[in-house]
Amino acid sequence: AQKITQTQPGMFVQEKEAVTLDCTYDTSDQSYGLFWYKQPSSGEMIFLIYQGSYDEQNATEGRYSLNFQKARKSANLVISASQLGDSAMYFCAMIGSSGYSTLTFGKGTMLLVSP
Amino acid sequence: GAGVSQSPSNKVTEKGKDVELRCDPISGHTALYWYRQSLGQGLEFLIYFQGNSAPDKSGLPSDRFSAERTGGSVSTLTIQRTQQEDSAVYLCASSPRVSLAGSKRPQYFGPGTRLLVL
Repeated sequence: AQKITQTQPGMFVQEKEAVTLDCTYDTSDQSYGLFWYKQPSSGEMIFLIYQGSYDEQNATEGRYSLNFQKARKSANLVISASQLGDSAMYFCAMIGSSGYSTLTFGKGTMLLVSP
Repeated sequence: GAGVSQSPSNKVTEKGKDVELRCDPISGHTALYWYRQSLGQGLEFLIYFQGNSAPDKSGLPSDRFSAERTGGSVSTLTIQRTQQEDSAVYLCASSPRVSLAGSKRPQYFGPGTRLLVL
């Protein structure tokens, strides 16, 4: 079984600062993928970034980067230079190599960016 | 191009009634997923379709829930005899092919249907 844990129910950050959203995972699979999604108040889940378990480099996508520490089973999302539009729920998710090909989600972190 | 669309965006129904939720995936995507998001919770997998293969129904919470996908495109999730605990946001997602570990195949989500059962 796979499990995603996001321990921060809410985070506050000031505009233009960087923020790290925590995600730890548990799986017995050797091959897996980790995803981060953003869910603004409109409700749509927006794909942000992906990290494969065998990727040697940390993934980066614009202002988003993933701090992947495989031994610690953590995949924290770093948002640099926060913007007001970054205020949203953020979900960490994973897909494993066993079982069905669906995403297992954490409970999410609400990020609020203040001016 | 157009993203995943879902209808209706909101649905209010009375306990015991049947409801149908529709999902139109991104054109050309062969994999389609249904998830449920209850208030303050993450997403819970319900069912997924891959091409013409039999769907994986292992996430459906009861036999009141069913889904079909016609012509490999549009999908309908049906909830019979709705209960108050069915109130949630129902999200549909699609991907070009089935998501696999180790491959960057994100699932692209629609805006969801907010279901309220009174």
